[in-house]
Amino acid sequence: AQSVTQLDSHVSVSEGTPVLLRCNYSSSYSPSLFWYVQHPNKGLQLLLKYTSAATLVKGINGFEAEFKKSETSFHLTKPSAHMSDAAEYFCVVSDLPNKYIFGTGTRLKVLA
Amino acid sequence: DGGITQSPKYLFRKEGQNVTLSCEQNLNHDAMYWYRQDPGQGLRLIYYSQIVNDFQKGDIAEGYSVSREKKESFPLTVTSGPAQKNPTAFYLCASRSGAGGTDTQYFGPGTRLTVL
Repeated sequence: AQSVTQLDSHVSVSEGTPVLLRCNYSSSYSPSLFWYVQHPNKGLQLLLKYTSAATLVKGINGFEAEFKKSETSFHLTKPSAHMSDAAEYFCVVSDLPNKYIFGTGTRLKVLA
Repeated sequence: DGGITQSPKYLFRKEGQNVTLSCEQNLNHDAMYWYRQDPGQGLRLIYYSQIVNDFQKGDIAEGYSVSREKKESFPLTVTSGPAQKNPTAFYLCASRSGAGGTDTQYFGPGTRLTVL
């Protein structure tokens, strides 16, 4: 059975410092993995996705994620946080048709 | 300008009323989805549709109904009655690109429903 765990419900960083949002997954098959960002009262915007090509995936706005099968992780990183990155981030796993499992989200706060 | 639109943005419902949330897409996607979002719980699937005139229940379908008469449209009705526990939530519609069942989903801006 597939599942996803976002290890931190809240993360605070200072502007200009690196961002790390952690995601572990469980899957019986070769999964598709996604990261989405949600600003308050808005829909989810796709940041990046992994679909069994390169293990290091580059996304929009300077974000990237690395698929590590041995650790069943798909952590999201950014070298330097910007104030506009403050939002909620969701990790999603899918290995069955039409079955997308969402993590409970990590709220990122960026301090000036 | 391609995308997914949802209306209204905010909706207030009295107890005992049915309400319908609109979702329209011009991305030419076959598959469409409805999710419910509650604080701290991530997104939960209500219904999905892979093609016109076909739809399947998701994990929390009780108290909801859908139709798929056109490819572009997938409205969600929140029904009143004992099957519907507490519909106050943020509702998100999505459509899926590609023919594969695990391809990328694209989301609309959402509708916030409040039951008074």
